[in-house]
Amino acid sequence: GAGVSQSPRYKVAKRGQDVALRCDPISGHVSLFWYQQALGQGPEFLTYFQNEAQLDKSGLPSDRFFAERPEGSVSTLKIQRTQQEDSAVYLCASSLGTGGSPLHFGNGTRLTVT
Amino acid sequence: DAKTTQPNSMESNEEEPVHLPCNHSTISGTDYIHWYRQLPSQGPEYVIHGLTSNVNNRMASLAIAEDRKSSTLILHRATLRDAAVYYCILRLDQAAGNKLTFGGGTRVLVKP
Repeated sequence: GAGVSQSPRYKVAKRGQDVALRCDPISGHVSLFWYQQALGQGPEFLTYFQNEAQLDKSGLPSDRFFAERPEGSVSTLKIQRTQQEDSAVYLCASSLGTGGSPLHFGNGTRLTVT
Repeated sequence: DAKTTQPNSMESNEEEPVHLPCNHSTISGTDYIHWYRQLPSQGPEYVIHGLTSNVNNRMASLAIAEDRKSSTLILHRATLRDAAVYYCILRLDQAAGNKLTFGGGTRVLVKP
């Protein structure tokens, strides 16, 4: 069946450019998470949505990072004025939303800021 | 968040069992023990989780110590496809929004 889909798979941006990363979760999944993974490290939490409500954005590293999920399905992570330290793989995950339900991850978007 | 400790890396031979340890001495009574793995160039993949009793599924087994301060993920017959980073994570499962907090994980190398 269809899993979590992320696009683009790779993105190269010049420092200072804005980027938008898209996540299509599994249909019917209520919960949606964004993670950032630097090379050689484990994923780090960025933000969490329950349907269209952003309930936790404690992991967003700066106000240049913004995420939305306006209709409770597709989500977009936007990074404004990209910096070199933003280079990482950005992972999206969704889950049914019941307690204990596992997270299903996409394969991520690799962002390189030059 | 309660922390977990895992070895950085382990090696195994193909078709042999792999035992991956995880220490979580500060685990609370409501923490579930989750395992995920991440294959190269892919997102993490759910493996198994449990609370107190040992658990088995088609991918692996999870053995949980009686005091819950440690656990072991068991891959019964390693294949080359099992080469990945394995993460042991404690998670409060009562609420849907409880995020996974990843550590460094154990990198498993499977030799043919």
